Amino acid sequence: EIVMTQSPATLSVSPGERATLSCRASQSVSSNLAWYQQKPGQAPRLLIYGASTRATDIPARFSGSGSGTEFTLTISSLQSEDFAFYYCHQYNNWPLTFGGGTKVEIK
Amino acid sequence: EVQLVESGGGLVKPGGSLRLSCAASGFTFSSYSVNWVRQAPGKSLEWVSSISSSSRYIYYADSVKGRFTISRDNAKNSLYLQMNSLRAEDTAVYYCARDHLSVGPTDFDYWGQGTLVTVSS
Repeated sequence: EIVMTQSPATLSVSPGERATLSCRASQSVSSNLAWYQQKPGQAPRLLIYGASTRATDIPARFSGSGSGTEFTLTISSLQSEDFAFYYCHQYNNWPLTFGGGTKVEIK
Repeated sequence: EVQLVESGGGLVKPGGSLRLSCAASGFTFSSYSVNWVRQAPGKSLEWVSSISSSSRYIYYADSVKGRFTISRDNAKNSLYLQMNSLRAEDTAVYYCARDHLSVGPTDFDYWGQGTLVTVSS
């Protein structure tokens, strides 16, 4: 099983600042990596797939990069609606696995 | 508009059974693989099971293999999860989620709102 490790667990950021979230895979997942945003009481929302492609209607301030085992989600200028949990997800191998999540909170 | 609506959750005793359903609309259900993903209270997401469009390919997480059975009825645009021998650690919100791409495995582009399963005596 591929273990996905996200860091940091919590990221405190001021509105308008840049946020950088990391995801590491225990073995290569090529570019088969997605990022999701989840707010309390809501379902996850797809942000990024293929490591760097924004999903439909996702603002340009969200960007993804990386391949192999190291991935990054960057939010260029945090808006109030961006404070949430973020999860990475590898779909290169069965079983599909998710990271433990990063909580982005208001500083 | 794509919609996935789960139902069937509730409180069940350890060792009991429950059947979850997911009603799909707004897309050609029979063309997509679909999945169950769960989230225990305060925890991350855990993939549970996937079924291909024709039901030919089925996959399970080790944690549920032998206890859970995924199925679908394309005529009814519905996905199911039969859960037997339930344990306390199966307590979670269960989401159904659609595969994004036609060639899997892939990411999940649409999710339902989830249904809560609580296993407790």
